[in-house]
Amino acid sequence: DIQMTQSPSSLSASVGDRVTIACRASQDIRKDLGWYQHKPGEAPKRLIYAASTLQSAVPSRFSGSGSGTEFTLTISSLQPEDFATYYCLQQSTYPYTFGQGTKLEIK
Amino acid sequence: EEQLVESGGGLVKPGESLRLSCAASGFIFSHFNMNWVRQAPGKGLEWVSSINSNSDYISYADSLKGRFTISRDNAKSSLSLQMDSLRAEDTGVYYCVRDRGYYYGLDVWGHGTTVTVSS
Repeated sequence: DIQMTQSPSSLSASVGDRVTIACRASQDIRKDLGWYQHKPGEAPKRLIYAASTLQSAVPSRFSGSGSGTEFTLTISSLQPEDFATYYCLQQSTYPYTFGQGTKLEIK
Repeated sequence: EEQLVESGGGLVKPGESLRLSCAASGFIFSHFNMNWVRQAPGKGLEWVSSINSNSDYISYADSLKGRFTISRDNAKSSLSLQMDSLRAEDTGVYYCVRDRGYYYGLDVWGHGTTVTVSS
């Protein structure tokens, strides 16, 4: 199985900050990776697919990069509504696997 | 609007069974692979199972050890998850998710149904 190692597990930041979350795959997954935002009591929301393509209607402050085994999600200027938990997901091979999640909290 | 609505969650005892359902609307259900994803209390997201559009390819998480069965009825635009021999560690919110393949990924999510396994 492909392991997805996500870091950091938690992050404290302020409105307006730039933050980066990383995901490393245990083997080459090309660009078959998505990033998801999850708030308590809500359905997860996809932000990025194919590692770097922004989902329609998602603000442009979100961006993704990487391929192969190293991936990042960047939020260029944090807004109050961005405080949530973020997950990467590899869909290159079954079983699909999520990163452990990054909880983004207000400083 | 593309929508997925889960149902069937509830409180059951260890060893009992439960069947989850997911009703799809707003898109051509038979064109898409479908998944179940779950989240245990205080834990992260965990992929559970996938089924392709015509049910001839199915995959499960290793941790399920053959206790769960995914199925679909394209005529009714519905997805199901039969869960047998339930354990406390199966407790969580179960999400129905549309799958557009390895490149486009899991794009439409339901709001989830809660399963609680407790004596």
